[in-house]
Amino acid sequence: DIQMTQSPSSVSASVGDRVTITCRASQVISSWLAWYQQKPGKAPNLLIYAASRLQSGVPSRFSGSGSGTDFTLTISSLQPEDFATYYCQQANSFPRTFGQGTKVEIE
Amino acid sequence: EVQLVESGGGLVQPGGSLRLSCAASGFTFSSHAMSWVRQAPGQGLDWVSTISAGGSSIDYADSVKGRLTISRDNSKNTLYLQMNSLRAEDTAVYYCAKASDSSGKNYFDYWGQGTLVTVSS
Repeated sequence: DIQMTQSPSSVSASVGDRVTITCRASQVISSWLAWYQQKPGKAPNLLIYAASRLQSGVPSRFSGSGSGTDFTLTISSLQPEDFATYYCQQANSFPRTFGQGTKVEIE
Repeated sequence: EVQLVESGGGLVQPGGSLRLSCAASGFTFSSHAMSWVRQAPGQGLDWVSTISAGGSSIDYADSVKGRLTISRDNSKNTLYLQMNSLRAEDTAVYYCAKASDSSGKNYFDYWGQGTLVTVSS
């Protein structure tokens, strides 16, 4: 199974800050990676797919990069509605696996 | 508008059974793979199973193999998860999720609101 490791587990930031979350796969997954945002009590929401492609309707302050084993999600200017937990997920093979999540909290 | 509505969750004793359903609308259900993803209380996301558009290809997490069975009825636009021999560690919110495209390497682009399954005596 491919293990997905996110860092940090949590980050405290202020509105307007630039936030970067990293995700590392235990094997090469090319660009078969997605990022999801989840708010408390809600279902996850797809933000980025194929490592760097923005899902329709997602604000352009979200961006993704990377390939192979190392990936990054960047929020260029944090907004109040962005405080949430973020998960990466590999789509290269079964079983599909998620990172453990990164909680973005208000500083 | 894509809608996925889960039902069938509830409280069940260890060793018991439950059947979850996910009613889909707003897209061509028979053209998309579908999945179940669960989330234990306070924990992260855990993929459970995926079924191909036509139902001929199925994958399961090792933790549920032999106990949980995914199926679909394309004539009813409905996805199912038959859950047998339930354990306390199966307690979670269960989400159904739509595959983003017809390739074998796709993402979960729409999710239902989830249904809570609690396994406890």
